[in-house]
Amino acid sequence: AQKITQTQPGMFVQEKEAVTLDCTYDTSDQSYGLFWYKQPSSGEMIFLIYQGSYDEQNATEGRYSLNFQKARKSANLVISASQLGDSAMYFCAMNNRGTYKYIFGTGTRLKVLA
Amino acid sequence: NAGVTQTPKFQVLKTGQSMTLQCAQDMNHEYMSWYRQDPGMGLRLIHYSVGAGITDQGEVPNGYNVSRSTTEDFPLRLLSAAPSQTSVYFCASISPGLEGGELFFGEGSRLTVL
Repeated sequence: AQKITQTQPGMFVQEKEAVTLDCTYDTSDQSYGLFWYKQPSSGEMIFLIYQGSYDEQNATEGRYSLNFQKARKSANLVISASQLGDSAMYFCAMNNRGTYKYIFGTGTRLKVLA
Repeated sequence: NAGVTQTPKFQVLKTGQSMTLQCAQDMNHEYMSWYRQDPGMGLRLIHYSVGAGITDQGEVPNGYNVSRSTTEDFPLRLLSAAPSQTSVYFCASISPGLEGGELFFGEGSRLTVL
C-alpha cells in the first residue's frame, strides 16, 4: 500500500534562511509522481513542485527544490531564502502511474520568523 | 478562468440532515475527486471519478455518495449527516500528463455538523 510520511508537525525558520521539509514515501510501484502543495491560512491548496520517479534531476521551481533520493524513498522540499509569505502548511503527496488515487501526508506547518 | 468551483463555502447542518456539496470545473478534466481535510490527518480521498458515468471509492467513502453525469460536475452528497463528518472538503480535478497530473483544487467547503 502507498503511504506518505511527514514527521515534522511544525517547523520554524528565520527569514532569508533555507529550510527543508521532510517527506518519505512507500510504494511498490516503479512509476509514480511526487508533489508538494502549500496551504496558507486562507485555506486554498497551491501546487508547488512535481518530481517524476524516472526524473534523474531534482525538480526546481524558483525558490523551491525537491531533494529526491529514490533509494531512500524520500522527497524533501527545500525552500531557499524563506519569506514571511512562506508561512503555511505544506503537504507532500504521491500518485502512482495509471491510477488516480493521490495520497497525502499529514502536513508540516512552517512558520517564518522576521 | 474559474478553474474548480465549490459551493457552498460554509455550511452548518444538524445531525441527520442531508446536503449536497457542489463542484464544477471548466477545464475539461476527466478526473475529479473529493477529499476531506481533518487536523493532523492531512487530506483523505473520499470518492473519485475518471469520467462521466464512472465513479469509485477512495479511502473514506462511508456516509458519502457521488455521481458524475457530466464532465463538468461532481457533486458530493451527505445523506444523513453525522458529527464525524465535520471537516473541510476539497474538490479537485486533474490536468493530463505527468504521472497522473497536478491536482487543481477548489477553495474548499467548511462543513459543521451539530
